[in-house]
Amino acid sequence: DAKTTQPNSMESNEEEPVHLPCNHSTISGTDYIHWYRQLPSQGPEYVIHGLTSNVNNRMASLAIAEDRKSSTLILHRATLRDAAVYYCILRDGATDSWGKLQFGAGTQVVVTP
Amino acid sequence: KAGVTQTPRYLIKTRGQQVTLSCSPISGHRSVSWYQQTPGQGLQFLFEYFSETQRNKGNFPGRFSGRQFSNSRSEMNVSTLELGDSALYLCASSLAGQNTEAFFGQGTRLTVV
Repeated sequence: DAKTTQPNSMESNEEEPVHLPCNHSTISGTDYIHWYRQLPSQGPEYVIHGLTSNVNNRMASLAIAEDRKSSTLILHRATLRDAAVYYCILRDGATDSWGKLQFGAGTQVVVTP
Repeated sequence: KAGVTQTPRYLIKTRGQQVTLSCSPISGHRSVSWYQQTPGQGLQFLFEYFSETQRNKGNFPGRFSGRQFSNSRSEMNVSTLELGDSALYLCASSLAGQNTEAFFGQGTRLTVV
């Protein structure tokens, strides 16, 4: 069973911000929160990851709740190219193994011009 | 820097045949994981290899096997193909370590007829 819960879909207008929520109430202290996105007919693409503090990179920002039971991926200005399925997954950082990542159904992001 | 390369990109096989898929990880990455993606089941973990050793295995029948070579390239094999094995097979590679990300290939689309 997936350890994270995400909405099935979200819509956004182009150039507007998109906030994608993820609940992970059973997260352990060593779990890293990872986000990937998958465009049609392509492999998943790494977006961002974090442990406790908020993270920013050129693609997005990751806001992690203080209790770490939820997080939000923020796309600051959505473009048509951001239309994809976004997956929030937990990776156990207690070892350097990637173990058995559990991908849920993800959130389908639709961007409207 | 070259990404994760999977070959072939597309494959059509007949029931009962066997198939071998190949994955060349990013240079320096010693961890390679395989996933199966179908419309009904989503992304499911098959196995993970690290330094030529299988580190984790998902819940798939013994018809699914894999190996990793000393140069970190990996292959997966499916014997006695069934129609239900039709899927996108994805490979991901990563550096060793706890605070790392995985990079996926474009996948191999296998169709069993």
